Amino acid sequence: EVQLVESGGGLVQPGGSLRLSCAASGFSFKNYWINWVRQAPGKGLEWVANIKQDGTGTYSAESVKGRFTISRDNAKNSAYLQLNNLGAEDTALYYCARDYWGVFDVWGRGTRVTVS
Amino acid sequence: EIVLTQSPGTLSLSPGERATLSCRASQSIGISSLGWYQQKPGQAPRLLIYGASSRATGIPDRFSGSGSGTDFTLTISRLEPEDFAVYYCQHYGDSPRTFGQGTKVEIK
Repeated sequence: EVQLVESGGGLVQPGGSLRLSCAASGFSFKNYWINWVRQAPGKGLEWVANIKQDGTGTYSAESVKGRFTISRDNAKNSAYLQLNNLGAEDTALYYCARDYWGVFDVWGRGTRVTVS
Repeated sequence: EIVLTQSPGTLSLSPGERATLSCRASQSIGISSLGWYQQKPGQAPRLLIYGASSRATGIPDRFSGSGSGTDFTLTISRLEPEDFAVYYCQHYGDSPRTFGQGTKVEIK
């Protein structure tokens, strides 16, 4: 079964850090871009960042530039999102999603980050 | 950054009715790089449409997408009970990828 499973969320104080993980299974992880998308409580979807298949290219939203870093380890079939200098506005459910020619065809169930 | 504006914010319809959702882009989206997603409460989004009009794997043919340039439409020909949800459009022509704010389709 093609699957993405996020972990690493939790409650953190303002200014704190977290590292989110996204574990992939059921497909050839090294062949796909991976994205992180977040959803604040009761709000819409916000694209956060993505990373190329071999990790040599990364892009991120202006709202997180300089604070969030995306990375991956193809040997472990995993992607990561390092969240630094967190603020209340970063409180959200964070999803990782597989990139299929630009759209996101496989999503995890998300990991919740609460900054308070 | 391309801004996507969805309308209406909420659509109140009955099962069996036709739903027409709009997504307007602040500038032309190249090669119809527009997708649509469905999200139900407590669930992750699900890809419905890519390339503005191509259905994703396993998506029923009552869902169809159309449009080009700056104006795009998602149509649900006959609403089934499981179709009441929030729908988002997303562009992917370049970075940053952006989503519309969503349209909620609710039971009238």
